[in-house]
Amino acid sequence: QKEVEQNSGPLSVPEGAIASLNCTYSDRGSQSFFWYRQYSGKSPELIMSIYSNGDKEDGRFTAQLNKASQYVSLLIRDSQPSDSATYLCAVNNDMRFGAGTRLTVKP
Amino acid sequence: DTEVTQTPKHLVMGMTNKKSLKCEQHMGHRAMYWYKQKAKKPPELMFVYSYEKLSINESVPSRFSPECPNSSLLNLHLHALQPEDSALYLCASSHTGSPSRAARNTGELFFGEGSRLTVL
Repeated sequence: QKEVEQNSGPLSVPEGAIASLNCTYSDRGSQSFFWYRQYSGKSPELIMSIYSNGDKEDGRFTAQLNKASQYVSLLIRDSQPSDSATYLCAVNNDMRFGAGTRLTVKP
Repeated sequence: DTEVTQTPKHLVMGMTNKKSLKCEQHMGHRAMYWYKQKAKKPPELMFVYSYEKLSINESVPSRFSPECPNSSLLNLHLHALQPEDSALYLCASSHTGSPSRAARNTGELFFGEGSRLTVL
């Protein structure tokens, strides 16, 4: 079983819609969870981190963590074409990434 | 501007060459990483250094040799590479936990812009 799994997509949403990205992990002892965004040809950049169960909001982004079910999700509200990128989920310890979800927001 | 600097940005080498990729950060981070990324794939962890000691080697072939001369610098020495080693090589750094958990990290990664390697 892979340590970090993501729905690899691709995911396409219309502009203004909510994009929902999901990630599951296998290590129950994981403490820190991160969402990175990677534009084509660029390096990944952190957009959200979450450490406790529940929701964490930052602007149009909301990270949701459920440790009992071992999943973490990222919601992007009012999606914009500039949100089109690959979103990578990372879980602490050894900082390995999931496969990434390619998101396209269509105008 | 990224605070993790990688050089060179592009490198073309033959299979018999010896070259090095360099990475530098001045954020006081004590963990540094090398990742390899192929097109349309996520970054693949290669090596982790924590407090200048190699803590993780993901069974990387010996033709890749990492070096951490000090807490700010990380090198990746390349020798006798194969064409399939062509990829984007990403360096990253992060804060670490306590020294007793040197192999673990709970902080975000800061990435450099990468070195695009082509092996002919």
